[in-house]
Amino acid sequence: AQSVTQPDIHITVSEGASLELRCNYSYGATPYLFWYVQSPGQGLQLLLKYFSGDTLVQGIKGFEAEFKRSQSSFNLRKPSVHWSDAAEYFCAVVLNRDDKIIFGKGTRLHILP
Amino acid sequence: NAGVTQTPKFRILKIGQSMTLQCTQDMNHNYMYWYRQDPGMGLKLIYYSVGAGITDKGEVPNGYNVSRSTTEDFPLRLELAAPSQTSVYFCASSYSAPTGVYNEQFFGPGTRLTVL
Repeated sequence: AQSVTQPDIHITVSEGASLELRCNYSYGATPYLFWYVQSPGQGLQLLLKYFSGDTLVQGIKGFEAEFKRSQSSFNLRKPSVHWSDAAEYFCAVVLNRDDKIIFGKGTRLHILP
Repeated sequence: NAGVTQTPKFRILKIGQSMTLQCTQDMNHNYMYWYRQDPGMGLKLIYYSVGAGITDKGEVPNGYNVSRSTTEDFPLRLELAAPSQTSVYFCASSYSAPTGVYNEQFFGPGTRLTVL
């Protein structure tokens, strides 16, 4: 069955430290890939997306993600986190444009001062 | 341009009561969606619509109904509220052209519903 896995439920990093959130998917083909962020009490906001082309994708708020076909991964990174990055992050995939989006279960990011 | 708006923001229902969650988008998107979000479970698709007059079930449709009489509005109806429907509900919309790439969904701020 098609699935999206975010193996880390919670991650805690210190402010100013680097961040990597993991996302793996199980599909035969390369899907459309997304990262969304949800701040407390808010809806989801798109951080970045990958459809094709350059496998390193730049997003908003200083985030980037790298698509690795060999690992079926689309990990989210940020070189230096800020306290305002504390939120829940969702990886999502769409197999093809006529399919429904499937979300991972989310990773909650905590920032230490 | 308000994007996707949802009302109410919070609601407490008693078991067996009914209510309608409202969702409106002003982006002229043809696709609209309803999700529920439970802690640690991500988002589950309840219903979706590909245009006015067309709706279809998602992953968890039981206990809910929808209608899409206009492009802008996509209300979600709970007829007999149950404690299992306690959740945060998100409406989303996107534009899908007949051809071309997939376009991302835009989300509303959510409705937090408690059924007691």
